[in-house]
Amino acid sequence: EAGVAQSPRYKIIEKRQSVAFWCNPISGHATLYWYQQILGQGPKLLIQFQNNGVVDDSQLPKDRFSAERLKGVDSTLKIQPAKLEDSAVYLCASSPLGPDTQYFGPGTRLTVL
Amino acid sequence: GENVEQHPSTLSVQEGDSAVIKCTYSDSASNYFPWYKQELGKRPQLIIDIRSNVGEKKDQRIAVTLNKTAKHFSLHITETQPEDSAVYFCAASKGSNYQLIWGAGTKLIIKP
Repeated sequence: EAGVAQSPRYKIIEKRQSVAFWCNPISGHATLYWYQQILGQGPKLLIQFQNNGVVDDSQLPKDRFSAERLKGVDSTLKIQPAKLEDSAVYLCASSPLGPDTQYFGPGTRLTVL
Repeated sequence: GENVEQHPSTLSVQEGDSAVIKCTYSDSASNYFPWYKQELGKRPQLIIDIRSNVGEKKDQRIAVTLNKTAKHFSLHITETQPEDSAVYFCAASKGSNYQLIWGAGTKLIIKP
């Protein structure tokens, strides 16, 4: 079974630039999560999709972050414009419906200069 | 809302000894409790989980216990090995959205 795919793996941008991350979840997984993990901290949920609908985006800074899940499969997370404090690893995870294991992708390490 | 506290933040044990990491949660409706291991620069990976209808679960050297009355759960690693060195996260989930509320993590150091 293929795992969660993410790209790019690394990205360096300057503040005020924009950036986009892509995630392809495990086939058949209804739920998709985007997390932000700052060095030394636990993952922080940014947004949760169930199929192609948003379940929770209460911690997504909507003035600069946006996300969509096309046709209930792939998802993109965008930051525009980026700030220095956005430097983090952005993790995508997916799971089947219900309380079950979340499978994480390798993450995208974003550095904002 | 749900809150998960995890202790200790750093744990250093001698190779071969046991390690115990403890978490408490605030919402009695929580019903799913996974533990994730994250090695440096890698993704979190599930190592064991427990549901609220079970008090203990074992998988080789790893075990998790759940005390619903006290609202705490613990990770036990026996016969620790160098490859056990990592950051361990506990989490709790409830409700129809099944979101995970994460602990702050425990850095486990195995001394040779």
